[in-house]
Amino acid sequence: AQTVTQSQPEMSVQEAETVTLSCTYDTSESDYYLFWYKQPPSRQMILVIRQEAYKQQNATENRFSVNFQKAAKSFSLKISDSQLGDAAMYFCAYRSAGLGTGTASKLTFGTGTRLQVTL
Amino acid sequence: IAGITQAPTSQILAAGRRMTLRCTQDMRHNAMYWYRQDLGLGLRLIHYSNTAGTTGKGEVPDGYSVSRANTDDFPLTLASAVPSQTSVYFCASRATVSNTEAFFGQGTRLTVV
Repeated sequence: AQTVTQSQPEMSVQEAETVTLSCTYDTSESDYYLFWYKQPPSRQMILVIRQEAYKQQNATENRFSVNFQKAAKSFSLKISDSQLGDAAMYFCAYRSAGLGTGTASKLTFGTGTRLQVTL
Repeated sequence: IAGITQAPTSQILAAGRRMTLRCTQDMRHNAMYWYRQDLGLGLRLIHYSNTAGTTGKGEVPDGYSVSRANTDDFPLTLASAVPSQTSVYFCASRATVSNTEAFFGQGTRLTVV
């Protein structure tokens, strides 16, 4: 079974600064997807960024980028030019690739990192 | 607006009572999921359904049941609620054939007292 570990329960960053959230995972599969989800106080789960394991290039979405190290099974999220609206809980998640049945298509989540943004 | 809707948004329930959390999607997604979110534990899968008429157990299925009579609806039932089922419940759906990502509902906050 796959596991996802987020070792930072809370992080804090000043507005306009850069912060990196850590995530490691364990899997025996070679093809999979990794995600970062943002959960603001509204409780809505918002997909921030997605990385396909077969792609060596790190995914980027505006101020959000990842550092994907497949051999180390590490998937960190970097937020540049942090804004007050970035304050939220961030979840790292894993999903098997392909069109598997059973629980193969489910997401496995880490325990989350609460990000505070200060002025 | 296409999406996934959960009801109610919050509920306080007496222990021992029966409760059904509703989830409806209008995107014709084949797969649907129920997760529970607890502080320090992230989101954990309760039950899932890959297509109408089929369901399966996730990581934490005990005390919960689901049904999938049609593509759009995936209700989650607590037959006899216990305080440990106090949680935030999320329904999600995905089109596995096209390998799209999951859409989440807005969540239901359930408190069992």
